[in-house]
Amino acid sequence: DGGITQSPKYLFRKEGQNVTLSCEQNLNHDAMYWYRQDPGQGLRLIYYSQIVNDFQKGDIAEGYSVSREKKESFPLTVTSAQKNPTAFYLCASSTRLGEDYGYTFGSGTRLTVV
Amino acid sequence: AQSVTQLDSQVPVFEEAPVELRCNYSSSVSVYLFWYVQYPNQGLQLLLKYLSGSTLVESINGFEAEFNKSQTSFHLRKPSVHISDTAEYFCAVRFMGGSYIPTFGRGTSLIVHP
Repeated sequence: DGGITQSPKYLFRKEGQNVTLSCEQNLNHDAMYWYRQDPGQGLRLIYYSQIVNDFQKGDIAEGYSVSREKKESFPLTVTSAQKNPTAFYLCASSTRLGEDYGYTFGSGTRLTVV
Repeated sequence: AQSVTQLDSQVPVFEEAPVELRCNYSSSVSVYLFWYVQYPNQGLQLLLKYLSGSTLVESINGFEAEFNKSQTSFHLRKPSVHISDTAEYFCAVRFMGGSYIPTFGRGTSLIVHP
């Protein structure tokens, strides 16, 4: 079945360490997105990519980095510069940027920094 | 500024009772409207969407939403809820003429009691 796979589901890291969250899709979607979810704040856009080797900052990109070397993969690195990294991270994809059939979401990665 | 407001952060209801989850947006431009559902520790799933045509849209599991242009609303309703409907519900709006990325509301937690 086609879908989005995020791994790991739970991740614990020490403060000051960089950590990379994986997102892989086999839907042949061009556009991919990373969101951060905090209780009571909904979804906030971190980065998005509409095509391979291209990505744009979202509303809260500071302290995060991404790459899009393959169509299927859009990993997110949470750097030590991110002041409050503990959150639930969601990856999503769509056929293309701006199409309106809705997003397909992964099941998320819960990052806890101690 | 364009924004999406979900007026209730939490809606408790008894099983088999009707429910309405409210969503309003602030803009005079044309919009595409979406409702997503998120079960605990999972990603979001598209529940229903309005792009054009009939202002009343339905999902396969008994939810419906009505686009009201004059009131800039897209409320989600179900005439009789089940325990399994307990989840977080997010309204999302794509505003035409601006970013291709939809804006998400903060979410409403629907809690169905037996």
